[in-house]
Amino acid sequence: DTEVTQTPKHLVMGMTNKKSLKCEQHMGHRAMYWYKQKAKKPPELMFVYSYEKLSINESVPSRFSPECPNSSLLNLHLHALQPEDSALYLCASSQNPHRGTGEQYFGPGTRLTVT
Amino acid sequence: QKEVEQDPGPLSVPEGAIVSLNCTYSNSAFQYFMWYRQYSRKGPELLMYTYSSGNKEDGRFTAQVDKSSKYISLFIRDSQPSDSATYLCAMSEQGGKLIFGQGTELSVKP
Repeated sequence: DTEVTQTPKHLVMGMTNKKSLKCEQHMGHRAMYWYKQKAKKPPELMFVYSYEKLSINESVPSRFSPECPNSSLLNLHLHALQPEDSALYLCASSQNPHRGTGEQYFGPGTRLTVT
Repeated sequence: QKEVEQDPGPLSVPEGAIVSLNCTYSNSAFQYFMWYRQYSRKGPELLMYTYSSGNKEDGRFTAQVDKSSKYISLFIRDSQPSDSATYLCAMSEQGGKLIFGQGTELSVKP
């Protein structure tokens, strides 16, 4: 089973709202990722968690706040977003971050619209 | 120059055709090569994964890596309308992050 699940599927939020995106995997993977994808563009890496610790932050604005409560769960907390943050937010996981096989499995994404 | 170059298309072929998708790259340290398929408004799905050079076949799909030329390919035989999607190549160094191509939009017409 190579399933990564994400909730919600769709989210509409105002610029003053606070919301959270959730991601879950039960493959025993030890690396989890957040990506942002705009239409007709490839995914852009935002954050990497390795063994539940934040290992990479790709200079993402502080209005995005990641959290890894345990090895199966990954959250992305959103606050005071801008309309240009509207995008598909993808979660991914991979088995062993230090081996760097690159074999990442993606979830279906959360389509976020900021009004 | 981008690290990974991929023709965005769109590419339109008739059903049953052989499709060839390609990426070139500049970083000789890349060791892991992947192809993802992404349907509209869905997450990318890992199709093929190759370590270093060589070929890999899975059903109608064949992935080739030529490290000497810094060139990777994905071939789809007997293409079907259900293959219509965007195909993303991706690659990484040991312990490195995935670097994606721009994606090629493929349409297979019945």
